[in-house]
Amino acid sequence: GAGVSQTPSNKVTEKGKYVELRCDPISGHTALYWYRQSLGQGPEFLIYFQGTGAADDSGLPNDRFFAVRPEGSVSTLKIQRTERGDSAVYLCASSPVSGDTQYFGPGTRLTVL
Amino acid sequence: KNEVEQSPQNLTAQEGEFITINCSYSVGISALHWLQQHPGGGIVSLFMLSSGKKKHGRLIATINIQEKHSSLHITASHPRDSAVYICAAPIKAAGNKLTFGGGTRVLVKP
Repeated sequence: GAGVSQTPSNKVTEKGKYVELRCDPISGHTALYWYRQSLGQGPEFLIYFQGTGAADDSGLPNDRFFAVRPEGSVSTLKIQRTERGDSAVYLCASSPVSGDTQYFGPGTRLTVL
Repeated sequence: KNEVEQSPQNLTAQEGEFITINCSYSVGISALHWLQQHPGGGIVSLFMLSSGKKKHGRLIATINIQEKHSSLHITASHPRDSAVYICAAPIKAAGNKLTFGGGTRVLVKP
């Protein structure tokens, strides 16, 4: 079956703009995770959903970042007033249940000019 | 100090050589992930293991939960194995979000 998909694959935006990044998890997976990977570094946790609710958003760097998963499937990561430091690859992963193997999407490469 | 540490940071091998990457962690976990990331590519989950050893093709992963240590071995390495290998520990008390090691950049020369 289809794996985790993310759109767009690349996004270039200007400082101060708003962006939305989309994640389509594997069908039936209840747990969904967002991570961010800056150039040359390992991924870092942003937010975790169990079903529709954000069970842990402790990794969001500030209130410019917000994520939703209204129907417990697709999730959207939203970044307001983008800054150059937001440039990174944003990774989404899903698992059947929390604690199971996480399956990663290809990532969205965000570049803020 | 990072909760998950890997060594070495970089590794260069000749094709055919046996490669070992080590991962140690300070948090209490019940399982550990090994991930592979090719240049410019996404992350692929190689293994999730909670005890003993798992094997997939030329890749072998071992873990000792009591000693908080895991190793990833690549037998008969090939240039296509060149990638960054990352170990990651799910934090059970935090929804099993992953804490990542710094990664090991492996280059296999023909």
